[in-house]
Amino acid sequence: DSGVTQTPKHLITATGQRVTLRCSPRSGDLSVYWYQQSLDQGLQFLIQYYNGEERAKGNILERFSAQQFPDLHSELNLSSLELGDSALYFCASSATVTQFSGANVLTFGAGSRLTVL
Amino acid sequence: AQSVSQHNHHVILSEAASLELGCNYSYGGTVNLFWYVQYPGQHLQLLLKYFSGDPLVKGIKGFEAEFIKSKFSFNLRKPSVQWSDTAEYFCAVNFHYSSASKIIFGSGTRLSIRP
Repeated sequence: DSGVTQTPKHLITATGQRVTLRCSPRSGDLSVYWYQQSLDQGLQFLIQYYNGEERAKGNILERFSAQQFPDLHSELNLSSLELGDSALYFCASSATVTQFSGANVLTFGAGSRLTVL
Repeated sequence: AQSVSQHNHHVILSEAASLELGCNYSYGGTVNLFWYVQYPGQHLQLLLKYFSGDPLVKGIKGFEAEFIKSKFSFNLRKPSVQWSDTAEYFCAVNFHYSSASKIIFGSGTRLSIRP
């Protein structure tokens, strides 16, 4: 157990639907990252939050949104789902984001596998 | 835009062979460098990291990597692989800007070891 908890582990839904993926970071970590892993595109960075604020954005679609709550857990919302959104969604956390600290090592959760039919 | 390239998508080796996986990035600023490993059925975990100092860093399980700044490279090496090294290996770069940072992963290299 890495200390990063993601729910649900598996999710099957239909096109056009909306889902929410949840992530609880490791105790003490302030930063949360979301990544999408699909077979043909590797691990794609979606978005990063630090202590409740958005810090960096990657290739996140407009249909997707995320937030980090005061208790530091984060949710990734995926809407108007398409077949191509089927993937493994990873959450990772780190203590900080500073370049001078080893504390920006990522600890990953087990992932949420989304299947869109 | 910043990018991380892993040129080997799938590497197949026999046990005891030497391993080198390539990783290159594009960015002239400050970076921190990582290799993560994903064993079958498990989540990604840190193999090794480079922040500063000696460009040759040693990680777990006999892995090492060398940061060559002039080549924007951070190749992963192991002198003698074992069957248990079968996994997917990801290079990651933490790009630091004036007001933010971003951790980008390469596309991964699948390593298969023949017993």
